Amino acid sequence: GAVVSQHPSRVICKSGTSVKIECRSLDFQATTMFWYRQFPKQSLMLMATSNEGSKATYEQGVEKDKFLINHASLTLSTLTVTSAHPEDSSFYICSARLISGVYNEQFFGPGTRLTVL
Amino acid sequence: GQQVMQIPQYQHVQEGEDFTTYCNSSTTLSNIQWYKQRPGGHPVFLIQLVKSGEVKKQKRLTFQFGEAKKNSSLHITATQTTDVGTYFCAGPVQGGKLIFGQGTELSVKP
Repeated sequence: GAVVSQHPSRVICKSGTSVKIECRSLDFQATTMFWYRQFPKQSLMLMATSNEGSKATYEQGVEKDKFLINHASLTLSTLTVTSAHPEDSSFYICSARLISGVYNEQFFGPGTRLTVL
Repeated sequence: GQQVMQIPQYQHVQEGEDFTTYCNSSTTLSNIQWYKQRPGGHPVFLIQLVKSGEVKKQKRLTFQFGEAKKNSSLHITATQTTDVGTYFCAGPVQGGKLIFGQGTELSVKP
């Protein structure tokens, strides 16, 4: 199956700093990638849709100025958490969409666990 | 807005017992997908069902899509400790996005 990598896998930062997370599709091109956030024992909550070559589309309640998304190429999307605070501590997961016929499958990266002190 | 509900939230079984999780959508779905997330891991795609009434099997796992394409189920026969994890259903919405159910966390006692 298709592989999506995510870097870093784990990051600890001080409150007020910015953290960049990279999401790469390794063996396929993805015009669309998605960013999710998952709190412990909860489901995945979609934050935004990252579109190659255009602005990201954010879900209701997600601050676009705080969570900056850049999809500069067909294989790379980045999420930058700006001025991180402890409440931003979470598991951030990206996925890349692969369309084949009637099938519309998302391949997930391994996730990035962010801890803000 | 569109919602995908999943029950139960938790299921604890003895190894060898069967397990079922149910998924219901507030609207008709074009397809439904199932994912498994192991503890500490990320969601891994299991299967996609497209046709009304479709039933697919993967070894001990049986997936079913309802006739009205609004509900789905995942049944595991004779659970093993390797089945431990959280199982999510997900339905597509506009723009290729997925809405995930709340997930069912399965624990298996050896």
